[in-house]
Amino acid sequence: GAGVSQSPSNKVTEKGKDVELRCDPISGHTALYWYRQSLGQGLEFLIYFQGNSAPDKSGLPSDRFSAERTGGSVSTLTIQRTQQEDSAVYLCASSLAWNQPQHFGDGTRLSIL
Amino acid sequence: GQQLNQSPQSMFIQEGEDVSMNCTSSSIFNTWLWYKQDPGEGPVLLIALYKAGELTSNGRLTAQFGITRKDSFLNISASIPSDVGIYFCAGVIIQGAQKLVFGQGTRLTINP
Repeated sequence: GAGVSQSPSNKVTEKGKDVELRCDPISGHTALYWYRQSLGQGLEFLIYFQGNSAPDKSGLPSDRFSAERTGGSVSTLTIQRTQQEDSAVYLCASSLAWNQPQHFGDGTRLSIL
Repeated sequence: GQQLNQSPQSMFIQEGEDVSMNCTSSSIFNTWLWYKQDPGEGPVLLIALYKAGELTSNGRLTAQFGITRKDSFLNISASIPSDVGIYFCAGVIIQGAQKLVFGQGTRLTINP
């Protein structure tokens, strides 16, 4: 079945480099969410999309983080000038509508050396 | 901001035992959710609670939405090896979107 797909599953990069993380939501899901999970912790909300617009960017930790969504489907989360504290698992979720349950992908494990 | 306190942080039990974990908050939530996360995978929704006082079961899992809307518990009866994993509670904030606030997780380990 076509669940939420994230790529890459793992990413190792050097401090200072930019990274792009991709999320393919479940087909037809209008709402898309990005979360960050640090080692041994719960999930931290980053940003939400309804269609292509992001009405809530309150969770982005700094201006090095940005996200976009095109065509109401695929979303990319970009981290510029990565820092070691950016190391975490980045999880994407989608839902049929804003008030429906969120379904998660398996995440991208990002390691900054 | 809103925070959820989830306890216990970890549990070590024998197969067949019952399990109980809970979440509390200083804030009111409209919905409580319970997720299970296996290593290398995303969280999977187990139970959703929508009304204060609601008690809901899903197989061997039972969860309740506290009457004050500030707490919830999850019980697992007759644990089996595949119950191993990390369990997260999440409170739902409606601010133009269903933003989830997660607890820190309960890591369940089962000795066969």
